[in-house]
Amino acid sequence: IAGITQAPTSQILAAGRRMTLRCTQDMRHNAMYWYRQDLGLGLRLIHYSNTAGTTGKGEVPDGYSVSRANTDDFPLTLASAVPSQTSVYFCASSDRGGGHTDTQYFGPGTRLTVL
Amino acid sequence: GQNIDQPTEMTATEGAIVQINCTYQTSGFNGLFWYQQHAGEAPTFLSYNVLDGLEEKGRFSSFLSRSKGYSYLLLKELQMKDSASYLCAVVDSNYQLIWGAGTKLIIKP
Repeated sequence: IAGITQAPTSQILAAGRRMTLRCTQDMRHNAMYWYRQDLGLGLRLIHYSNTAGTTGKGEVPDGYSVSRANTDDFPLTLASAVPSQTSVYFCASSDRGGGHTDTQYFGPGTRLTVL
Repeated sequence: GQNIDQPTEMTATEGAIVQINCTYQTSGFNGLFWYQQHAGEAPTFLSYNVLDGLEEKGRFSSFLSRSKGYSYLLLKELQMKDSASYLCAVVDSNYQLIWGAGTKLIIKP
């Protein structure tokens, strides 16, 4: 069982380019999340999905979009990357979302640098 | 606003005991998590507290006082592999996780 996989592992991107970070889980979890982690700051929620077909905005959604076409996949898209989006991005999943306190399990992360 | 406070960095000696504190001010409370994160890796679950008191799990224990907005993670018999960041996260009234910036624990031989 792989758990959660993310791709790419790392990426250097020119400002203004479009980029999709991929996230796939094989635990049949209903809820999935995208966080960014920056030095000196806690993990910040970008977008989440409580179940396939639904998505919601987190604390820092601007400049990012997500989709949840099925249970397993939750891609994060940067429509036009800016240097302030340089960060480590973690995808996570939990058995249930929205009104539950289930443990979140994290993917290995994507290190993104926008120049 | 919502706030989670943890010390930025702590140093301890192999074989010793260390206590990492976390204080929080959030809109509502539905539980508190501790995660461990080794450098360059993903956070991994350590413990969850929703009721006051101490939860013990092997060398690691976690304590919660809801009235004081306070938790601590206690690590006993420290090993070099315990060198990592420890993240405190609170579930708020909207069932969102609010994360602290983490405490980097350095273990010296």
